[in-house]
Amino acid sequence: QLQLQESGPGQVKSSEALSLTCTISGGSITTYGFYWGWIRQPPGKGLEWIGSFYFGRNVFYNPSLKSRVTVSLDTPKNQFSLRLNSVTPADTAVYYCARALSTDYGDNPDAFDIWGQGTLVTVSS
Amino acid sequence: SYELTQPPSVSVSPGQTATITCSGSNLGDKYASWYQQKPGQSPVLVFYQDDKRPSGIPERFSGSNSGTTATLTISGTQAVDEADYYCQAWESTTAGVFGTGTSVTVL
Repeated sequence: QLQLQESGPGQVKSSEALSLTCTISGGSITTYGFYWGWIRQPPGKGLEWIGSFYFGRNVFYNPSLKSRVTVSLDTPKNQFSLRLNSVTPADTAVYYCARALSTDYGDNPDAFDIWGQGTLVTVSS
Repeated sequence: SYELTQPPSVSVSPGQTATITCSGSNLGDKYASWYQQKPGQSPVLVFYQDDKRPSGIPERFSGSNSGTTATLTISGTQAVDEADYYCQAWESTTAGVFGTGTSVTVL
């Protein structure tokens, strides 16, 4: 049974970079037909999609965060990571990694069917 | 940017039907997904591709999507269904969007 686990510092200072890692167990990041991604949720607020990718293809990002965010892969470790630069207190949120289904033989991302437990990152001013 | 709008809250009596809407431009031309989130927990997928229910999700959850509105319907609502619900779609193959969220209260 596939599981996702986020890890990384729980506190980051303003203007610094936030870095998180998602470790996949019970499955592979290279599996055909699945996308992977990051989503965040500020305390008491809604969900915000950050970025996603399909193994072997380019990563795509939320336009509102694109200038500050990078998602990278570590295939041997079966992990993918998030880096968000120049953070402010507005970036305080629970960060989730998730797997997404696809349609059209992997051409299009679809629903996020498996989520990690999430990790709270607090940005201090 | 693409937006999905949901009512902030929906109240329903136990055993009755709860209807949650999600509005967006040409949403009916896209697949809509629905997630349930209880306090302190990760979201759970409850409906997707307009008419699919993941394994383990009760049959009382159903959905539809046409025009500019996707709808999640909970028939015979139970106390355990009290949660926040989010719709989600892909504006394009490279731009994901979540709805504003709806808090469902079972009175």
